[in-house]
Amino acid sequence: GAVVSQHPSWVICKSGTSVKIECRSLDFQATTMFWYRQFPKQSLMLMATSNEGSKATYEQGVEKDKFLINHASLTLSTLTVTSAHPEDSSFYICSARTGNNSPLHFGNGTRLTVT
Amino acid sequence: GENVEQHPSTLSVQEGDSAVIKCTYSDSASNYFPWYKQELGKRPQLIIDIRSNVGEKKDQRIAVTLNKTAKHFSLHITETQPEDSAVYFCAALRGYNTDKLIFGTGTRLQVFP
Repeated sequence: GAVVSQHPSWVICKSGTSVKIECRSLDFQATTMFWYRQFPKQSLMLMATSNEGSKATYEQGVEKDKFLINHASLTLSTLTVTSAHPEDSSFYICSARTGNNSPLHFGNGTRLTVT
Repeated sequence: GENVEQHPSTLSVQEGDSAVIKCTYSDSASNYFPWYKQELGKRPQLIIDIRSNVGEKKDQRIAVTLNKTAKHFSLHITETQPEDSAVYFCAALRGYNTDKLIFGTGTRLQVFP
């Protein structure tokens, strides 16, 4: 079945540094990928829609200059958390669909801890 | 925009009993409603989904019902087992021709042996 791979699975970084998270579709091409953030014991909140070959679409309240998204190929989207702060500590999950009427498949998620 | 409400937030049942989780949505244009199961620290896993052209779908012990008029849908788990314990999220596809899934707030289900 469709597999979405996310890397790294966890990362600890110091405040003020940047962290890059990769999301790959392993056996299908994804023109669109979605980035979600999940705080402890909360729901998944859509951050942005990553579009291959064009700019990402950010949800209201999400800073595009802080959360840089690059979707340079049909199988790879990256999310860079710039100048990370402790409040950015969260579980970041990417997802993709294999087609217009197909389910959403999630990556394993990346647990980011900013110290 | 779409708003999805889910309840209860927690649900405890005895093994073998049934569990029901309900969700309502606001956007009448939504036409796809999946349910995800998430175990602690892991990715959400799709367990069942339903589209707006059907009212009910069943897969072994899991079933989902949809009432488009009332804009609500429910997850039914029968003969619950301890391994069903997890957080369950409903979701709705927001609007026409968009792929943005909006999630409910989640239900923590505990099945006691």
